This record gives sequence, structure tokens and C-alpha cells, in this order.
Amino acid sequence: GAGVSQSPSNKVTEKGKDVELRCDPISGHTALYWYRQSLGQGLEFLIYFQGNSAPDKSGLPSDRFSAERTGGSVSTLTIQRTQQEDSAVYLCASSVSSGGVQTQYFGPGTRLTVL
Amino acid sequence: ILNVEQSPQSLHVQEGDSTNFTCSFPSSNFYALHWYRWETAKSPEALFVMTLNGDEKKKGRISATLNTKEGYSYLYIKGSQPEDSATYLCAFKYTGGGNKLTFGTGTQLKVEL
Repeated sequence: GAGVSQSPSNKVTEKGKDVELRCDPISGHTALYWYRQSLGQGLEFLIYFQGNSAPDKSGLPSDRFSAERTGGSVSTLTIQRTQQEDSAVYLCASSVSSGGVQTQYFGPGTRLTVL
Repeated sequence: ILNVEQSPQSLHVQEGDSTNFTCSFPSSNFYALHWYRWETAKSPEALFVMTLNGDEKKKGRISATLNTKEGYSYLYIKGSQPEDSATYLCAFKYTGGGNKLTFGTGTQLKVEL
């Protein structure tokens, strides 16, 4: 079946512009996660959704970052007034549910470059 | 701040060699340990989820062991092939930490002919 998809695959933007990154999870998966990998760093948790609610937003680095999920499916991560330190690969993952031990299935990521 | 460490950072081996790398994590509040393989330009691929001390998982030529009391997991690859070239990530989930995974920085494996 179809895996997690993300768009765009690459995004180059100028400092100060807003960007939106999209994630389509595996159909039927109720839990959705956003991570990012900055250069030389490990994957860093940003936010997690169960359905349309976000019980854990603890990883969002600043109030310029926000995310929403609609219809229990597609999620959008928005970065306002982008800064150069926002340059990273942004990965989305989904799992069947959020309880217990669940494998998180990842998308291919969006590479964001802020000039 | 949780520390999940992986070593070595990178590894070059010859085709046919067997190799192993380490993931170290906090020994308290353990819930689960995940291993992923991440090839360039692809999605990270789940290899194993490990939950029990002494657990051993196997998938083809790849296997993993888990020691939750001392806080480490080993990943083994037997008879490395060029297609095994990838970054291998471990990710730790702890009780009270919700559903987020805390990742190590990975071991980059290059298998040469």
C-alpha cells in the first residue's frame, strides 16, 4: 500500500518568508509525528498528533512554528518568518495509533533551505 | 535532556565483512528501542522494535540485541553487502515521555566492493 508522502521534496526560500510543508500519512493511521534533522544533528521531535489533536508540541522550537491536522489525515507544518537556522530535513511519520509500542513509518522528508 | 548515543559515527567495511554498532541510552524509564535504516534520498525504514531485556531480533542478515539494565543495544550485520550502505539510527522511547522518539545521530555504514 501507499506509504507516507510529503511535499514538496525540496524547498528553497528566502529568509523572512513563510513556508508550508505537507504530510499525507498512511491511510487509517491515527497518530502523526513531525521530526527534523539539522546538519550534523540527530532527528529531533517537533510535534505529535493523535487524530486532529496535538497532545505534545514540546519540540516546536519557537512560536514561528505551528502545525495542524485536518480530518484525521493530512497535516501541514508552517514556519513563519523563516530563519537560516530553520534549514533542515523535515520528516513526517505515522503510526496505527499512539498507544503502546508502535512502529512509526516515515516519509521521505522535505529538505528546506533558507537563504 | 536524554542522551542517545551511537558509535561509531561512521564505518567503512569490505563486502562480506561482518560488522556491528552500538546504541547507548538511559537505563531508567525504558519503554522501547527502535532501529531504523536510512538510505540517501529514501524514507527511514523500520528494522526492529525491542521492548524486553535480553531480546534478540533478526531480519535476514541483520540482528539486534538489547540490554535495558545497562542501557545499550547492538546491531549486527553478517556478510555485509553494498546494498547495506546506509545510516543506521536507533531511537529510544521512555515511560512518561509520551509517544516521541529520541534519536541518536546514527552510524553511517559504507560497504565497499
